[in-house]
Amino acid sequence: EVQLVESGGGLVQPGGSLRLSCAASGFTFSTYWMHWVRQAPGKGLVWVSRIHSDGSTTTYADSVKGRFAISRDNAKNTLYLQMNSLRAEDTAVYYCARGGFYSTDAFNFWGQGTMVTVSS
Amino acid sequence: EIVLTQSPGALSLSPGERATLSCRASQSVASSHLAWYQQKRGQAPRLLIYGASSRATGIPDRFSGSGSGTDFTLTISRLEPEDFAVYYCQQYGSSPPYTFGQGTKLEIK
Repeated sequence: EVQLVESGGGLVQPGGSLRLSCAASGFTFSTYWMHWVRQAPGKGLVWVSRIHSDGSTTTYADSVKGRFAISRDNAKNTLYLQMNSLRAEDTAVYYCARGGFYSTDAFNFWGQGTMVTVSS
Repeated sequence: EIVLTQSPGALSLSPGERATLSCRASQSVASSHLAWYQQKRGQAPRLLIYGASSRATGIPDRFSGSGSGTDFTLTISRLEPEDFAVYYCQQYGSSPPYTFGQGTKLEIK
């Protein structure tokens, strides 16, 4: 059974940092694109970042470029999102999602999400 | 960036009725790389439809997707109580960002 379990969320002050993790199981993690998607309270879904199966290619939404960094450890079956210079508008539930073998695949599995609150 | 506009924003229907949800793109979606997701309150999204019309694994056949280019539709043929949720379309064909529509809330009448 495919499982994605996020962790690392919490309350952080503006300007602070946080690292999210997503532990994957039930599939060959090292062969899939992976994504982070966020959802502000009461709002819709917003794609944040993606990473190639081998970590060679990363892409970011303009809103987080230069502040967030996606990475993965295929030996540990874990996806990460390092978030720096956090702003109030980064407050959201952050989901990791599995893509496919190709960048043009839909997101067919999602974790349950981890809440990030940026507030003083 | 491709902007997706969903309509209506909210839809009130009764169990057993047919639901038709629309998603319009600001430019053509490459190779019909258009997906639909269902999200229930407090839960993660679930993939329903990919490639505009292919049902994901385990999705009941009352869910169907259609369309190409800039106009796409999700149809639920006969609503079950568990179908009342928020539905999002997403394009994943062009270069990122992989944009989502703003969602359609399907409510029980």
